[in-house]
Amino acid sequence: GQNIDQPTEMTATEGAIVQINCTYQTSGFNGLFWYQQHAGEAPTFLSYNVLDGLEEKGRFSSFLSRSKGYSYLLLKELQMKDSASYLCAVSDYKLSFGAGTTVTVRA
Amino acid sequence: EAGVTQSPTHLIKTRGQQATLRCSPISGHTSVYWYQQALGLGLQFLLWYDEGEERNRGNFPPRFSGRQFPNYSSELNVNALELEDSALYLCASSLFHRGAYEQYFGPGTRLTVT
Repeated sequence: GQNIDQPTEMTATEGAIVQINCTYQTSGFNGLFWYQQHAGEAPTFLSYNVLDGLEEKGRFSSFLSRSKGYSYLLLKELQMKDSASYLCAVSDYKLSFGAGTTVTVRA
Repeated sequence: EAGVTQSPTHLIKTRGQQATLRCSPISGHTSVYWYQQALGLGLQFLLWYDEGEERNRGNFPPRFSGRQFPNYSSELNVNALELEDSALYLCASSLFHRGAYEQYFGPGTRLTVT
């Protein structure tokens, strides 16, 4: 099975940086994904890591260490529209999701 | 390029009835996944179809079933509806890219069971 942990909530100020950590214990692994989900909407794909290291996509970066079962999503230059739930998901063909981290960006 | 589409957007049923939800994947994607997101809970994997075959299913009772058609669209059926089946049902289609299956979600069908 899969066990995926991430913090429940985080709050940050507009323009700041926030790091969302995700730890996992899985029976199968072929990638770790990050999704953003606004309330009442479907998740939208942000990034994924298959190999160890950092992947950068604009204001979002994601890091993976497979040996440690650890990933983080880094959100830079926070904007109000970044207030959402961020979902860490481990792929073994299907996705197993963490409960999500609700990020609140304050002015 | 059109994204994943789902219908209907909302569905209201009474306990004991059957619900049918539909999904059309992104053109070129052969895999379709179904997930359930109950209020306040995380996304739970339901079913995975690829090339018309059921490849995997999550920890849900047999009254949750589905199929994939030759054009790769898919249908999720929920029989003998129970109140706790009320949830957002999300469909995703995937593309194998850089060693992993990137999954893209449709807008979802909100099922309400009364």
